[in-house]
Amino acid sequence: KNQVEQSPQSLIILEGKNCTLQCNYTVSPFSNLRWYKQDTGRGPVSLTIMTFSENTKSNGRYTATLDADTKQSSLHITASQLSDSASYICVVSDRGSTLGRLYFGRGTQLTVWP
Amino acid sequence: EADIYQTPRYLVIGTGKKITLECSQTMGHDKMYWYQQDPGMELHLIHYSYGVNSTEKGDLSSESTVSRIRTEHFPLTLESARPSHTSQYLCASSESHNRGVEQYFGPGTRLTVT
Repeated sequence: KNQVEQSPQSLIILEGKNCTLQCNYTVSPFSNLRWYKQDTGRGPVSLTIMTFSENTKSNGRYTATLDADTKQSSLHITASQLSDSASYICVVSDRGSTLGRLYFGRGTQLTVWP
Repeated sequence: EADIYQTPRYLVIGTGKKITLECSQTMGHDKMYWYQQDPGMELHLIHYSYGVNSTEKGDLSSESTVSRIRTEHFPLTLESARPSHTSQYLCASSESHNRGVEQYFGPGTRLTVT
């Protein structure tokens, strides 16, 4: 069964600190992995997208890594800001369908305190 | 920011009422999607469309129906709302066929059925 598991479920950090969110997946055959940020009451917004051949990608203070062999990804947030408080969702796409079906994790709820 | 819009943003309605959730995008995307998301849970695909006059059911069974008469418009209808339909509904769109392309999400509609 194709699944995407994220940890931790929730995380509280102080403003200015770094943090790392984890994503493990069993989706096969793998196409790409995306990290989205979802603010409360809003739709998800894409942060990064990585294919099989990419093992790291940055977007400002966000850096995603991918290990396709172990089927693990992480999202590292540097120098956190209050506006980083949101749910971060790991999404994996498979190659087994024309739709490019997306498999969503439940997200990590990040809270940044001043 | 993605040009995809949803109305209403919030809706509280009584059991048995017919409702239509609107979704429109100005990016000319062929593919459109409806997802359902409960608090703290992953997004579930309930409907998708490859283009005009194309609609398919997603992974999660839903009593809702959709139509795609125009490229830019993908409304979702519930003929008789029930409390079990209470959830957040997210609309998304993407360019056609390539699995690596981005899905752009609307802000969502928070539906409460009393």
